[in-house]
Amino acid sequence: AQTVTQSQPEMSVQEAETVTLSCTYDTSESDYYLFWYKQPPSRQMILVIRQEAYKQQNATENRFSVNFQKAAKSFSLKISDSQLGDAAMYFCAYMEYGNKLVFGAGTILRVKS
Amino acid sequence: EAGVAQSPRYKIIEKRQSVAFWCNPISGHATLYWYQQILGQGPKLLIQFQNNGVVDDSQLPKDRFSAERLKGVDSTLKIQPAKLEDSAVYLCASSLFRSTGELFFGEGSRLTVL
Repeated sequence: AQTVTQSQPEMSVQEAETVTLSCTYDTSESDYYLFWYKQPPSRQMILVIRQEAYKQQNATENRFSVNFQKAAKSFSLKISDSQLGDAAMYFCAYMEYGNKLVFGAGTILRVKS
Repeated sequence: EAGVAQSPRYKIIEKRQSVAFWCNPISGHATLYWYQQILGQGPKLLIQFQNNGVVDDSQLPKDRFSAERLKGVDSTLKIQPAKLEDSAVYLCASSLFRSTGELFFGEGSRLTVL
């Protein structure tokens, strides 16, 4: 079964600084999708960014970017110019085409002003 | 556009009692998911519907959990009888296309079993 590992239970970053959240996954497939979802306190989870495994170029969404290393099965999220509103639980997730989404255990991100 | 609606937001019950959660997905979304999120863990898929048919219920504890999706729109998740370990947030999500992984989540229903 596919597994997603987030080795950092909690991270802190100073406002306006950059932080990187780590994620590794285990799969024998070559085609799949990877995601980062954000879950603010008491609010619904939202999609931050998505990466298709067949694309070599790393996905970017405004201040959010990923470092996708397919051979290493690594998928980290970089948040630039951190803002107070970025404080949340971040989940890394994996999905094979048309299959179910498998989530990691999450990383709590705290942003200090 | 209205988001995914869930109710109730909070529920406290005694063990061995029953509880039901309701979900109304985003209009037009064919795929609906129920996830269980235990404190400190990532969400775990319980059941996935495509329209009103079940696509995946491999991790649904069928001796106590049941779910249905009436007419391919609203869905209800029921637990009967509840156990202490069922204390969790139950998240409903929907997606337009099953293949993309872009899920839209509701705010969740927090269940406490005493």
